Amino acid sequence: EVQLVESGGGLVQPGGSLKLSCAASGFNFDDYAMHWVRQVPGKGLEWVSGITWESNSVGFAESVRGRFTISRDNAKNSLYLQMDRLRPEDTALYYCAKVMDGLGSYMGAFDLWGQGTPVTVAS
Amino acid sequence: SYVLTQPPSVSVAPGKTARITCGGNRIGSRSVHWYQQRPGQAPVLLIYYDGDRPSGIPERFSGSNSGNTATLTISRVEAGDEADYYCHVGDTSSDQTVFGGGTKLTVL
Repeated sequence: EVQLVESGGGLVQPGGSLKLSCAASGFNFDDYAMHWVRQVPGKGLEWVSGITWESNSVGFAESVRGRFTISRDNAKNSLYLQMDRLRPEDTALYYCAKVMDGLGSYMGAFDLWGQGTPVTVAS
Repeated sequence: SYVLTQPPSVSVAPGKTARITCGGNRIGSRSVHWYQQRPGQAPVLLIYYDGDRPSGIPERFSGSNSGNTATLTISRVEAGDEADYYCHVGDTSSDQTVFGGGTKLTVL
């Protein structure tokens, strides 16, 4: 089955760290750019970060640049988001998403989404 | 960074046509993608590269893009179309990808 499954979310104190994972299955993971998108309950989608299929280019939203790191392990079909110096405003449901176009940049449409993992930053 | 503007809400009667706009500076020169998100669910790709539909998406959903406005058109609206809709573009100048604020479609 073609799917993405996020994990690693939870409750963390402000200033703390958390590492999210996204396990991919059912497609050639190493052919596709991947992204993280977050959503505060009741609010809109916010792009967080993206990475090309070969990890040679990454991008970050200004709101997380310098605090979050994106990486992938193609041998493990996995995408990661290391989140440091977390703030209350980082509280959201975090989705991983696959870019539709293979072997391209990370600018394409997102044709596969996971169900998300919740992150709560609070004391 | 690039900004996309959507109306917060659109209402339409069943069987009628809904149009959801996405405004951005010279958005017609960019590729626009659209997603549908039902409550409690992950987003689903509806339209990619302005007007193409993934397999399984009904022909009632169509997209266009020109000038400063991209439009998602939903023909013969059904109760099941009630959802949030988001437009999405890539901004190569900033290496970022951007979502519009979302539009809640209400079927009257």
